[in-house]
Amino acid sequence: DTEVTQTPKHLVMGMTNKKSLKCEQHMGHRAMYWYKQKAKKPPELMFVYSYEKLSINESVPSRFSPECPNSSLLNLHLHALQPEDSALYLCASSLTGTGANVLTFGAGSRLTVL
Amino acid sequence: GDSVTQMEGPVTLSEEAFLTINCTYTATGYPSLFWYVQYPGEGLQLLLKATKADDKGSNKGFEATYRKETTSFHLEKGSVQVSDSAVYFCALSSGGYQKVTFGTGTKLQVIP
Repeated sequence: DTEVTQTPKHLVMGMTNKKSLKCEQHMGHRAMYWYKQKAKKPPELMFVYSYEKLSINESVPSRFSPECPNSSLLNLHLHALQPEDSALYLCASSLTGTGANVLTFGAGSRLTVL
Repeated sequence: GDSVTQMEGPVTLSEEAFLTINCTYTATGYPSLFWYVQYPGEGLQLLLKATKADDKGSNKGFEATYRKETTSFHLEKGSVQVSDSAVYFCALSSGGYQKVTFGTGTKLQVIP
């Protein structure tokens, strides 16, 4: 299995909703990432988990809350989002998060905040 | 800090034309360099990589050589196909860190 699977593919939510994005990989990778990508822009790093511990938080607003229940799963909990948070949210994983650090990306969850 | 600069797009080529997308970088130490490709509606996929100076990464007819003296990692392909139409991102990862720094992306459109 060489894939990163993200669900849902599309999500529409209001500003008062609570929702979650899910990411799963079974490649034995020990580093997992959340990126945010706006249209025609490169991915922007949000969070990194290394060996199930949060190692990088790129000053992301607290309305985004990551969780790594185990080495295969990564969640992003969403609450009280703003319309400007609408974007493609990409999950990625890598073997260890060091060295050449090749990222394997999922297809993304496209989020629309109304 | 680390940064990646790549040529502005979009780049429009006819099928079988030669492709070059320029990429230069600024980094401390000895970074690893990557090209990722993003097809419409999808996530990014690794296209090729190089981990040290003078390494040449290659995949699917694409090539890029790690040039330390010019801090460059230009992407080339001898004969593009319509199926190569996508956005190409140059990226680097500098040693020991989990951050991958991406360039702004170059959209390639290949017309029949």
